[in-house]
Amino acid sequence: DAGVIQSPRHEVTEMGQEVTLRCKLISGHNSLFWYRQTMMRGLELLIYFNNNVPIDDSGMPEDRFSAKMPNASFSTLKIQPSEPRDSAVYFCASSLGDRGFEQYFGPGTRLTVT
Amino acid sequence: DQQVKQNSPSLSVQEGRISILNCDYTNSMFDYFLWYKKYPAEGPTFLISISSIKDKNEDGRFTVFLNKSAKHLSLHIVPSQPGDSAVYFCAGRGGTSYGKLTFGQGTILTVHP
Repeated sequence: DAGVIQSPRHEVTEMGQEVTLRCKLISGHNSLFWYRQTMMRGLELLIYFNNNVPIDDSGMPEDRFSAKMPNASFSTLKIQPSEPRDSAVYFCASSLGDRGFEQYFGPGTRLTVT
Repeated sequence: DQQVKQNSPSLSVQEGRISILNCDYTNSMFDYFLWYKKYPAEGPTFLISISSIKDKNEDGRFTVFLNKSAKHLSLHIVPSQPGDSAVYFCAGRGGTSYGKLTFGQGTILTVHP
């Protein structure tokens, strides 16, 4: 059974460019979480969805960040315009139910903004 | 506001000895605590959890202890193995949102053969 799939695995872009990160949930899971990992702050939750509905987006840094779930198995995280301080590893995770328990993480997207 | 803190960025242990990873939290609303393990170039994987109404949970070589009065939890690995070398994150569930996990910064564990 395939795990959480993220693409691309690596992204290098110039400041000001739009970046789109993609995530495919594990089949049957209905909760989706986007995280950002940095050395200073560790793993931060950006936003999470349950049944395609955003439940908590308090971690989204600013209006430059947006996340969508166009269907039950797929999500995108968009940064526009990107800035060097957005450089980090971005993970998505999925789980069954809204209890936030035992989340299954994807391999991450390493984003570098120059 | 760092609600979950792992104050030791790294820990080095000899194979066969005990590894103790510590975590402190400030949010009394957390109802579960979880530990995740992360290898390089991979996403974190769930390791073990404990309910806030328990003080100990054991799973094989891994035991998590919770001290609610001190708002402190620890993960014990006995005996430690080189394959345990990874980054360990603790997380608290709940708080402002029911399904939300709040993670610490992580501790890098290195187990030497």
